Amino acid sequence: KAGVTQTPRYLIKTRGQQVTLSCSPISGHRSVSWYQQTPGQGLQFLFEYFSETQRNKGNFPGRFSGRQFSNSRSEMNVSTLELGDSALYLCASSSDASFQETQYFGPGTRLLVL
Amino acid sequence: QKEVEQNSGPLSVPEGAIASLNCTYSDRVSQSFFWYRQYSGKSPELIMSIYSNGDKEDGRFTAQLNKASQYVSLLIRDSQPSDSATYLCAAGGFKTIFGAGTRLFVKA
Repeated sequence: KAGVTQTPRYLIKTRGQQVTLSCSPISGHRSVSWYQQTPGQGLQFLFEYFSETQRNKGNFPGRFSGRQFSNSRSEMNVSTLELGDSALYLCASSSDASFQETQYFGPGTRLLVL
Repeated sequence: QKEVEQNSGPLSVPEGAIASLNCTYSDRVSQSFFWYRQYSGKSPELIMSIYSNGDKEDGRFTAQLNKASQYVSLLIRDSQPSDSATYLCAAGGFKTIFGAGTRLFVKA
C-alpha cells in the first residue's frame, strides 16, 4: 500500500505571496491532519479533516486554510506569506476520525519564504 | 493548554547501552500514546503505539505507560548509532498532541 504523498516537496516563495500544498493520504484513510514543524516550535497542529469536513483546528491565523476532497486528498493554503511561515509542513493520515488511531506522516513540504 | 512534555536532550548513550526516553502528558482524556522517530530533514515515522497500562515490547523497543502518573516512556535496548534521531512522544485524544522531542545520540 502506498504511503502518504505530499507535493511539492520544496517550495520557495516571497513575502506576500500565497501557496497551496497538497496531500494524498494512504488509500482507505479518511482523516488528514496538517502540521507545521519549525526548529523553535516543534510540531504544531494546524487542522484536521475527515470526510471533507474540518473537525479540528489549531491556533493558527486565518491565513492558513485547508480543504479535503471527496477522494480524501487534502490541500492547505497559506495566503499573504510571512517570513515566519518558513517551515516543514507535514501531512498525516489515519484510518478513521478518532485520534486514537495511528497517524502516518508524508515526507513533508519544505517551504522557504524570502 | 493540554501539553506533552519531553526533555529536549540531547541524551547521549554509548553503543550497546539502554536509552531511556520519558514523556508526561497533561490531558487525562488521552487514551492512546505514540512514539515517533524523526531523522534530521525527514518526517516522523512510527515506532510504537501503546494504549494500556504496562509494557509493550517490539524488538529492541519497549514502551511503558502509566496512566495514573500520566507518564509514558520508551526504552531502546542495545542502542545503535543508527538510533540517533529525535524521538517524539504523542498523546491521542480529541486531537493528537506532540511533544517537542528528545534528541538522542548513540556514540559508536
